[in-house]
Amino acid sequence: QSVLTQPPSASGTPGQRVTISCSGSSSNIGSNYVYWYQQLPGTAPKLLIYRNNQRPSGVPDRFSGSKSGTSASLAISGLRSEDEADYYCAAWDDSLSALFGGGTKLTVL
Amino acid sequence: EVQLVESGGGLVQPGGSLRLSCAASGFTFSSYWMSWVRQAPGKGLEWVANIKQDGSEKYYVDSVKGRFTISRDNAKNSLYLQMNSLRAEDTAVYYCARADYDILTGYPTPLFDYWGQGTLVTVSS
Repeated sequence: QSVLTQPPSASGTPGQRVTISCSGSSSNIGSNYVYWYQQLPGTAPKLLIYRNNQRPSGVPDRFSGSKSGTSASLAISGLRSEDEADYYCAAWDDSLSALFGGGTKLTVL
Repeated sequence: EVQLVESGGGLVQPGGSLRLSCAASGFTFSSYWMSWVRQAPGKGLEWVANIKQDGSEKYYVDSVKGRFTISRDNAKNSLYLQMNSLRAEDTAVYYCARADYDILTGYPTPLFDYWGQGTLVTVSS
């Protein structure tokens, strides 16, 4: 069981906006940055969002991140079929360890 | 172009040992924290270990402490993971990843901007 809690699944239709939540505690999300990764089937994860809401170059602005207190969210607007993937949040914990959420499988209907 | 190429995975019996390697290229290896992240079949990502640029600091997930050792050779641009006393639950694809660090605290962050393709470790009799 992951310390960072994500819903196991999410879904949406093309063009819709979907959000994925990530809940932690004061020792991780509450006091450190949040990161988001996208993992397409059979591939290595890809950095999607860093430091709560920053996008690496090449990541479309359809992807956005936010953080409030001990929770964070990833929003995907203008949903596309190629967004179908697993999404993971991550944060450093003050116990000197890195944590990943359990992952959310996004289905584009 | 940044490249990370893992090797050394395979089938090993419970209690056995394995050494993974990660060859880095396309960046100044000695300037970055490096990490190992694993993914059990059909499961989520799990951070395994971090090592500082000069190898002076190392952090591990509790489940591998005392069994796994992360190390690096900056002269060879290589990262390693020595895995001893392997258990069935260590079965996973192991990824090598380049990590960032927090300038204020000096601690590594889970900002993994480049990943290898992964190497599969199977622990089974």
